[in-house]
Amino acid sequence: AQTVTQSQPEMSVQEAETVTLSCTYDTSESDYYLFWYKQPPSRQMILVIRQEAYKQQNATENRFSVNFQKAAKSFSLKISDSQLGDAAMYFCAYRSAWNSGGSNYKLTFGKGTLLTVNP
Amino acid sequence: AAGVIQSPRHLIKEKRETATLKCYPIPRHDTVYWYQQGPGQDPQFLISFYEKMQSDKGSIPDRFSAQQFSDYHSELNMSSLELGDSALYFCASSVPPARLAGKYEQYFGPGTRLTVT
Repeated sequence: AQTVTQSQPEMSVQEAETVTLSCTYDTSESDYYLFWYKQPPSRQMILVIRQEAYKQQNATENRFSVNFQKAAKSFSLKISDSQLGDAAMYFCAYRSAWNSGGSNYKLTFGKGTLLTVNP
Repeated sequence: AAGVIQSPRHLIKEKRETATLKCYPIPRHDTVYWYQQGPGQDPQFLISFYEKMQSDKGSIPDRFSAQQFSDYHSELNMSSLELGDSALYFCASSVPPARLAGKYEQYFGPGTRLTVT
């Protein structure tokens, strides 16, 4: 079974600064997807960014980017120019790829990192 | 754009009562996932359906059952409720991976907050 570990229960950043959230995972599969979800106080789960394991290029979405190190099984999220609206719980998640031979498309989440943005 | 609809948004039940949570996926999405998020916890996968058939099962108690109907909406039935069932229950929908060669997203609904007293 796959596991996802987020070693930082809480992080804080000053507005306009950059912060990096860490995530490591364990899997025996060679093809999979990794995600970062944001959960603000409203508790809505919002997809921030996605990375396909077969792609070497790191995904970027505006101020959000990832550092994907497949060999190290590491998937960190960098938030640049942090804004007050970025304050939320951030979850790292893993999903098997369709060609992994199974029907197991569920998301496996880490425990989350609570990000505080200070004005 | 249409999103995943969950009803009710809030539900208060007493111990040993029964609850039914409903999920209406995004139009043309035929895959539905249920997740349970306890207080201060990460979401845990319960069960999923594809084309009205159960496709995967996680840590779902035997007291819970679920199904997907012909219009693709899904219902999670919870009986003999316990205090520990108090949680936020998310439904997510997607198109099946094969249709998009694996590139698909799970779109989450706003959740149903269940409180068991």
